[in-house]
Order: sequence, then C-alpha cells, then structure tokens
Amino acid sequence: AQSVAQPEDQVNVAEGNPLTVKCTYSVSGNPYLFWYVQYPNRGLQFLLKYITGDNLVKGSYGFEAEFNKSQTSFHLKKPSALVSDSALYFCAVRDVAGKLIFGQGTTLQVKP
Amino acid sequence: DTGVSQDPRHKITKRGQNVTFRCDPISEHNRLYWYRQTLGQGPEFLTYFQNEAQLEKSRLLSDRFSAERPKGSFSTLEIQRTEQGDSAMYLCASSLTGDHTEAFFGQGTRLTVV
Repeated sequence: AQSVAQPEDQVNVAEGNPLTVKCTYSVSGNPYLFWYVQYPNRGLQFLLKYITGDNLVKGSYGFEAEFNKSQTSFHLKKPSALVSDSALYFCAVRDVAGKLIFGQGTTLQVKP
Repeated sequence: DTGVSQDPRHKITKRGQNVTFRCDPISEHNRLYWYRQTLGQGPEFLTYFQNEAQLEKSRLLSDRFSAERPKGSFSTLEIQRTEQGDSAMYLCASSLTGDHTEAFFGQGTRLTVV
C-alpha cells in the first residue's frame, strides 16, 4: 500500500528564515508526489509535484521540493519564509487510479 | 470563475436527515474525486468518477453514501440518515487523466450533524 508520512505536526520559523516541511513516502513503483497547502476553512491549493526528471522541483509562491529516492523523501522548502505562508501543508502520493493519499499534515507557523 | 465549485459551503443538519452536496468540476476535466477531511487529519479518498462512470469506492463509503455524475459533468454526493460521525469537510477535486496532471480542489462543504 502506498503511504506518506509527515513526521512534524507543527513547524515554527521566523520570518525571513528558510523553512523545511518534511515528508517521506512508501510506494511500489515510481512515486508521483505532490504538495498542497490549505488555509483555514478553505480547500486545498496545489503547490508543486514530482513526476519525473529533476530532483529539485519548483512550484508556486517561491516553494520548492527536493525528491530524494534513496531516502524516500520529498521535503518542501522555501529560502525565506513569509508570515503569509502560515497554513496547513499536505504531502500526497498519487496512485495509478489518480487518487491522492495524503499525509496527516504539518502546520507551518511563521512568526514576524 | 473557472475553478472547482461546491455547494453549499456549509450545512447543518439534524441526525437522521438526508443531505446532498454538489460539485461542479473544471469543465474539461474528465476525472472527479470526493474526499472527506476531519479536523486535524488529511483528506481521505471516498470515490471517483471518470466521465460518468464511478470507478472506485473506498471502504469508508458506507451504504448510506451514494455519489453520481450523471452526464459526466457535475457530481452529487448524498448521505442518507446522517450520523454525528459524518460531520466533516467534504472536498471535491477534478483533474484530467495522465501522469503529468494535478488535481484541483473546491472550497469544500462543511457538514455539521447535530
């Protein structure tokens, strides 16, 4: 069975500092990996995806993610955090049917 | 607005009542997914359609739940005889088929069963 794990319930970072939100995955075959962000009482917004190709994937709002096959990880990163980045972040893996299997989510808190 | 839209945004119902939610996907998207999200959890897959065909249902989807996508466009999710445990955010997403596509989500319908 495919799964993802987000080991941190919450990540706190000061504005202007780099941020990392961790995700590890377990799949059979090639992983199709995604990051989504959710603001309070809202749906999920797509940030970025890894399907194939370069291990460093660039996405929306200055976010990027690094695919590491040997460590089965797909960590989300941003060089300089903004207060407006504070939200709930979900890592997900997509199965052959196209449905997404999500992690538990990580709350990112960026303090001024 | 060309995104995924869901209606209603909020629904409060008494236990035992039936409720129906609607999802309008992005118009050219042939796949439509329903997810359920409870507080503090990631979304969980319920069911999905390719065009009008319902191709997969989760074991989470009890007999009280039914979904349709009659013309391959909008979809409805009905919950019969609601229970307090059905209280959750119901999310709809749509996508094209293909490896390089991503799903786009609606704002969700928040159901509260009292």
